[in-house]
Amino acid sequence: EVQLVESGGNLVQPGGSLRLSCEASEFTFSSYAMSWVRQAPGKGLEWVADINGIGDSTSYADSVKGRFTISRDNSKNTLFLQMNSLRAEDTATYYCARLDIGAGDFFFDQWGQGSLVSVSS
Amino acid sequence: SYELTQPPSVSVSPGQTARITCSGDALPKKFAYWYQQKSGQAPVLVIYEDTKRPSGIPERFSGSSSGTMATLIISGAQVEDEADYYCYSTDSGGHHRVFGGGTKVTVL
Repeated sequence: EVQLVESGGNLVQPGGSLRLSCEASEFTFSSYAMSWVRQAPGKGLEWVADINGIGDSTSYADSVKGRFTISRDNSKNTLFLQMNSLRAEDTATYYCARLDIGAGDFFFDQWGQGSLVSVSS
Repeated sequence: SYELTQPPSVSVSPGQTARITCSGDALPKKFAYWYQQKSGQAPVLVIYEDTKRPSGIPERFSGSSSGTMATLIISGAQVEDEADYYCYSTDSGGHHRVFGGGTKVTVL
């Protein structure tokens, strides 16, 4: 059974930094693109960032571009999200999600349980 | 920016059929995907590529798509189907991943 386990969420002050990790198991990690998706308290889902399987291509939502960096270490089956210049509106549960590709579109087929990031003074 | 529009809520009696719609300009060319999220839990994929059901998802979940609207159908809704449901797709260029605002389904 595919497992995705996030860690690193915490309370941080506005302007601060935090790094989230997502440890993957029970699948060939390097064969899959991966994503981060977040959900503010009581709100809907928002895609944050993608990275391809070998880690040389990334994309970001406009809301985090220039502040967040997605990366991966395939030798450790781990996905990362480095978050800098954090704002109150970044407060959310951050989910790690595996991207699968079917008939031409990427979609999220497996999700972790999430890691809570709170940005407040 | 591209948007997918869902109704905020749908109510259905147990055993009846619930239909949740998702509208978006790119849906004639792009697949819709549906996720179920129960309270306090991570999302779970229930329909992919408009109409396909992942293994382990009950047969009462089905999907359809026509023009700019995709629909998730829960036939014979059960109390355990109470959840938030999100549609997902991409814009016509495939560059932006977008979720609908979510629909809260109440079964009572």
